[in-house]
Formats: sequence, C-alpha cells, structure tokens
Amino acid sequence: ETGVTQTPRHLVMGMTNKKSLKCEQHLGHNAMYWYKQSAKKPLELMFVYNFKEQTENNSVPSRFSPECPNSSHLFLHLHTLQPEDSALYLCASSQDQGGPYEQYFGPGTRLTVT
Amino acid sequence: AQKITQTQPGMFVQEKEAVTLDCTYDTSDPSYGLFWYKQPSSGEMIFLIYQGSYDQQNATEGRYSLNFQKARKSANLVISASQLGDSAMYFCAMNEGTTGFQKLVFGTGTRLLVSP
Repeated sequence: ETGVTQTPRHLVMGMTNKKSLKCEQHLGHNAMYWYKQSAKKPLELMFVYNFKEQTENNSVPSRFSPECPNSSHLFLHLHTLQPEDSALYLCASSQDQGGPYEQYFGPGTRLTVT
Repeated sequence: AQKITQTQPGMFVQEKEAVTLDCTYDTSDPSYGLFWYKQPSSGEMIFLIYQGSYDQQNATEGRYSLNFQKARKSANLVISASQLGDSAMYFCAMNEGTTGFQKLVFGTGTRLLVSP
C-alpha cells in the first residue's frame, strides 16, 4: 500500500450504532488530520494529531472520538450520530517540520446516518 | 481569521483551451501558504500546486500555474491545455504562519467541466 488509505470506503449506520473509521499513512509523516466534507460546504478541519498528540479539536461534538496510537494510524470512533453527520470524512497526513508542506489525502469514507 | 473565497461555482472549458479558476484570500499574517487541490468524483483530494507568501515568482507545476497577486490577495489557478480528465472540483486553501503542522482553511470549490 502507498499513500494514505481509509477504510471503510462507505458506511451506513443507525443513530444508536458504534462504528470506527480507520486511516493509515505510508508516507513517514508525523502529522495526521480528520476533515468533514458536507454537501455545498467547505472542508472542515476536525482534529489534528502531531506525533500522536492531539493538537487541535475544532469544537467537534463528543460523539466523534479520535484515536492516534502511532504516527501512521488514525481512527475516528463514532457513536450516537445524528443524520446531519452524514458526510464524506477525509483523512490526511503531512510533514510537520519547517514547511509549510502539502497534505496528502486518503479517498475518504462516505458516511450515511439513518 | 482566515478566509478563502471562490466565487465561481462552476466553469466550462473546451478541451485544449486554458482556464482560470479564481481564488481570493484574507489574512493579517504576513507569512502564509496557498494551495490548490483537485477532487475528482472518486473523492480523493489531490494536491496540485503551492505558493508561499514570500515567493517572488509564481508557482508552476506542469500544466498548472498559480497567478499570485499579493497586493490584491488573489491566487488564481491557471490550467493550460485542458484535458477531459481535468473535470473535477477544485479547491483553494490557505494556512497561516510557519508552525509545523498545517491548519488548512478551504474555499467552497469550483466545479470544472471540460468538454470535447
């Protein structure tokens, strides 16, 4: 595998379910990001991890819970979501020294909350 | 606060023609970076080109060039010799400062359609 991978690519879940999104980067980067892309809205930065430490939480509801066990893996744990949480969730990674460096994105997980 | 504005919801261009996608930005930080990304229907965001605020020359990457006008706070993307595969959403983004990790702020995007 190369670049940034995300699984699953599509997910349908009920409001009472618990699920997790997975992201893995094979680029040797130290920073990883979660973004939310809703229809007709700009990408919204949700979380930033730098060397496994969360450095940014953009007022994201607690029903979204990130986890970064190492600098190559990033998870987004989902529970009791709302229909308005349906969106494309994109993971990205980048270098974090000097820069600025471009972010490399995964293909995204298309989430539908029913 | 940062702000990125893309005023063209959609653009049409014929194959082999050049097209300019507009982007204006607002920041009070003298150090910033500007990025353009392409998002095909598959969903993945593909990095195209970068321009730093202190760069003296406009950035170029193959058929992509960035028309950077600092005084006007604009960073338009120019695609030369358009191809059918260029049909996609295009996003302008910016980050401020020189801290390591990048907090990118994105515009709403422009959908480009290239016709034969």
